[in-house]
Amino acid sequence: SYVLTQPPSVSVAPGKTATITCGGDNIGTKSVHWYQQKPGQAPVMVIYYDNDRPSGIPERFSGSHSGNTATLTISRVDAGDEADYYCQVWHTGSDLGVFGGGTKLTVL
Amino acid sequence: EAQLVQSGAEVKKPGESLRISCEGSGYSFTNFWIGWVRQRPGKGLEWMGLIHPGDSDTKYSPSFQGQVIISADKSIRTAYLQWNNLKASDTAMYYCARPYFVARHDAFNIWGQGTMVTVSS
Repeated sequence: SYVLTQPPSVSVAPGKTATITCGGDNIGTKSVHWYQQKPGQAPVMVIYYDNDRPSGIPERFSGSHSGNTATLTISRVDAGDEADYYCQVWHTGSDLGVFGGGTKLTVL
Repeated sequence: EAQLVQSGAEVKKPGESLRISCEGSGYSFTNFWIGWVRQRPGKGLEWMGLIHPGDSDTKYSPSFQGQVIISADKSIRTAYLQWNNLKASDTAMYYCARPYFVARHDAFNIWGQGTMVTVSS
């Protein structure tokens, strides 16, 4: 099975840039999606197909991927960005979806 | 506006059966896959499987194959997640979700509100 590895936690000061990674074998060849989940709420898609943002998601959110790592970057972080973030890919070999373990973003 | 509305919270005993539902509205129900995602208390998201309501084509993650049944009734625009022998380890929040576009590998951009299932003796 395909495994996606995320750091359990990332901390950042307000106004700074948060970087959340998602590691997977040749993830650079796959389409990566990212979700934000705040406590008690359903997940929200923030990035799809590597670096596309749905309407309503600020331009501060961006994605990239290369080699074995995908990255979600949140610039000018504010308290409202504090949440869990999950990466997700479609593994064509098994024809199934896979989530990363999630990263808790703390705004100091 | 497309939305998914799930059935309410459930409390069951080990060994019991259960079916929870997810009703779609505001879009062409038979054109989009619907997926199910588990989230155990304090844990991450787990991709369970999905179904295409148009033809009932279904895919399961190996971890959930044989443990749950995913089905859909397109006449009432509703997808289901079913257990025939609940275990305490099935205690979790379950979300249904719809991809952004019609392909099953698309990102989930429409999510239900979640259904909490508690299994306890």
